[in-house]
Amino acid sequence: ILNVEQSPQSLHVQEGDSTNFTCSFPSSNFYALHWYRWETAKSPEALFVMTLNGDEKKKGRISATLNTKEGYSYLYIKGSQPEDSATYLCSSDGGATNKLIFGTGTLLAVQP
Amino acid sequence: DAGVTQSPTHLIKTRGQQVTLRCSPKSGHDTVSWYQQALGQGPQFIFQYYEEEERQRGNFPDRFSGHQFPNYSSELNVNALWLGDSALYLCASSWGQPNEQFFGPGTRLTVL
Repeated sequence: ILNVEQSPQSLHVQEGDSTNFTCSFPSSNFYALHWYRWETAKSPEALFVMTLNGDEKKKGRISATLNTKEGYSYLYIKGSQPEDSATYLCSSDGGATNKLIFGTGTLLAVQP
Repeated sequence: DAGVTQSPTHLIKTRGQQVTLRCSPKSGHDTVSWYQQALGQGPQFIFQYYEEEERQRGNFPDRFSGHQFPNYSSELNVNALWLGDSALYLCASSWGQPNEQFFGPGTRLTVL
């Protein structure tokens, strides 16, 4: 994998459903993996930064895991709410390169 | 704390013109990164400034230049604008590693 890739591109779920997205990134020269939530007309908001293989982070109903050996991260949302509707971006940080490489995002729409 | 601020919010220019976008970082942050987000894509890294120097650059032509001031605020300049420069320009500030970046709301540039 040369770029950061996210799937699915978009997702429509019902309120109360649990869902998850995938972020794939180059496993070589890896330093950190970032997840952001980006609501329409707002700034991207940092959710998690993970650096170690096996890292798991949790914030309320949202959690994320990291596998640096195979180059993927999962973001989970438990019991989706309409306010979770946003684009979820992941980015890989090469550390010494000091730049974030972003995926194209997963657009989540939660229907009440 | 006002967070990361950007100005202007929206801007309309014509082909061949020059534009300057401005960013004030979050209090305590010393590093500013600029990203371009074209429609349907994830943010693309333009460059990063630290200690008033360009520390890292993405795959953007020399028409894109920047500056960082002693108070850590930054400008992005784009010369000889063309239609393809129409995008949302995001500024992000950070301090130290692992490079957790805080984003501003962006400047929407339209080139006619």
